[in-house]
Amino acid sequence: DADVTQTPRNRITKTGKRIMLECSQTKGHDRMYWYRQDPGLGLRLIYYSFDVKDINKGEISDGYSVSRQAQAKFSLSLESAIPNQTALYFCATSGGSGGVKETQYFGPGTRLLVL
Amino acid sequence: AQKITQTQPGMFVQEKEAVTLDCTYDTSDQSYGLFWYKQPSSGEMIFLIYQGSYDEQNATEGRYSLNFQKARKSANLVISASQLGDSAMYFCAIYTDKLIFGTGTRLQVFP
Repeated sequence: DADVTQTPRNRITKTGKRIMLECSQTKGHDRMYWYRQDPGLGLRLIYYSFDVKDINKGEISDGYSVSRQAQAKFSLSLESAIPNQTALYFCATSGGSGGVKETQYFGPGTRLLVL
Repeated sequence: AQKITQTQPGMFVQEKEAVTLDCTYDTSDQSYGLFWYKQPSSGEMIFLIYQGSYDEQNATEGRYSLNFQKARKSANLVISASQLGDSAMYFCAIYTDKLIFGTGTRLQVFP
């Protein structure tokens, strides 16, 4: 079984709709992240959480919110989706505490299309 | 602020040959980590190799090695004996307090 899972894997929605992307991990990591990937732009950090009570904005948090429901679960919400939020979204986890422990392990991604 | 630059949008290599993918970085921090990830056409991000800023030896993982030149701020990925399955996007990333990615290099391996 995959260590980091994302649901749904694909989603088509309409402008103005609220949607939630979910992420679960079985790696036992404290740190979790949400990224989006647009063609030609690499991955950009949306939000991150170092533990259940810790939520931090990343580079591109406008239009998004997150919830850390448990150590293993981190969800991303688009309150009112717009077409330029069409992208590939990744969840990632890491153990933290420096060096190679900062390695982030990614889920399979969610392809989101906003019409 | 940290920055990663990958100047090769695309690279071609023949099967069984070695290939080097370039990565330069910019940071004012003394302690940082450098990572390479592979993204096949299926979309997942696969961790390949890590190099710490204080590591004196170049990192190696199987057919992957990292040519780390700290003074030049470069961390090039070398893939030896390329295989058709190596065809993918490759991303370099730097970690200080966040992971910052480059824009990637598309590698195509031909028979």
